[in-house]
Amino acid sequence: KNEVEQSPQNLTAQEGEFITINCSYSVGISALHWLQQHPGGGIVSLFMLSSGKKKHGRLIATINIQEKHSSLHITASHPRDSAVYICAAAVNTDKLIFGTGTRLQVFP
Amino acid sequence: DGGITQSPKYLFRKEGQNVTLSCEQNLNHDAMYWYRQDPGQGLRLIYYSQIVNDFQKGDIAEGYSVSREKKESFPLTVTSAQKNPTAFYLCASSPGLAVYEQYFGPGTRLTVT
Repeated sequence: KNEVEQSPQNLTAQEGEFITINCSYSVGISALHWLQQHPGGGIVSLFMLSSGKKKHGRLIATINIQEKHSSLHITASHPRDSAVYICAAAVNTDKLIFGTGTRLQVFP
Repeated sequence: DGGITQSPKYLFRKEGQNVTLSCEQNLNHDAMYWYRQDPGQGLRLIYYSQIVNDFQKGDIAEGYSVSREKKESFPLTVTSAQKNPTAFYLCASSPGLAVYEQYFGPGTRLTVT
């Protein structure tokens, strides 16, 4: 079993739908990262959080430390949101463990 | 513009040859990382460096080597000892360690035949 699990692996949505991507981890963490990887391969950091909730535009990330679970929400999804979303757990001060990613496709 | 550059974007080599992937950052970050990405798998850490002239092995360091002679540069050499070198390689940097946001380069896709 991977230490960081994401679900679903693949997700399709119609433009405007509310999207939720889940990340569960089985190790103690100091922070949880959400990343976005575009088809060309480049990766952008979306959020880093260690508690509570963060919001940036249409993106919201939450984390529940007790349940070892984080979610990434996208409100009013748009085709340009189509990408692979990756969560990564900072399990100590110098290392990240990555999930395998959720591939999101948003259709017009 | 501040950022991380990796070159080239695509690289082709014959089996048995060593190849060096370039990674440069102008963000003044202390920490730099090399990851490997294979289909269906999460990114895996090859090597990381927290400071100039120092680097640590990651989870899959066998068959790879690095150097950190300058703060802004962290080249990765894929040696002929690496059994399955064909992969997508990503370089990243951060102000500090894993609790800090990491900034990623565009990646280099290496194909070895």
